[in-house]
Amino acid sequence: DTAVSQTPKYLVTQMGNDKSIKCEQNLGHDTMYWYKQDSKKFLKIMFSYNNKELIINETVPNRFSPKSPDKAHLNLHINSLELGDSAVYFCASSQGLSGGAGELFFGEGSRLTVL
Amino acid sequence: GEDVEQSLFLSVREGDSSVINCTYTDSSSTYLYWYKQEPGAGLQLLTYIFSNMDMKQDQRLTVLLNKKDKHLSLRIADTQTGDSAIYFCAESPGGSYIPTFGRGTSLIVHP
Repeated sequence: DTAVSQTPKYLVTQMGNDKSIKCEQNLGHDTMYWYKQDSKKFLKIMFSYNNKELIINETVPNRFSPKSPDKAHLNLHINSLELGDSAVYFCASSQGLSGGAGELFFGEGSRLTVL
Repeated sequence: GEDVEQSLFLSVREGDSSVINCTYTDSSSTYLYWYKQEPGAGLQLLTYIFSNMDMKQDQRLTVLLNKKDKHLSLRIADTQTGDSAIYFCAESPGGSYIPTFGRGTSLIVHP
């Protein structure tokens, strides 16, 4: 059983399109995250949700909108895609504020290529 | 400047020890972590150390923490080709469990 699964794994699209990436975790964790990894492998946090509530929203264009229908799911919708949005997007989860050592469990990543 | 810094590349010969270094700035860090990212995959937690510890050993992995210098290292004994990956150092600021990541060190193991 995959603990954190995200779909699709690869996404190739044209500039200006709108796309979504879905994420689900079956670990019973309270907190979920979206990270962006650029071509130099730098990992930057974008959003964090705790029990469906947004707790972190880093400086991210408002074309990016996360949605958490329940605590096991955190989806990322991107409007009007730009070339600079090309990256690998990682979903992650953790026990968050409810305990644990704060370790993150990552999905396999979704590689977005904007042409 | 960055909160967590690490060198970008390390090349070692198979069978040798690898030492990956990391420095951080937040003196209230509660936990310090090492994550491993293999090509085309997500990050996986290798090990972590609580800030009141100096050392932690787990099979071939040894983590050393120097709180005074805010320096963390990961030693991999008897490095194998399967250890080739990117290793990320991360720290958790006090009062929060959301880690800040370094830029990652690419470990290349050659025969």
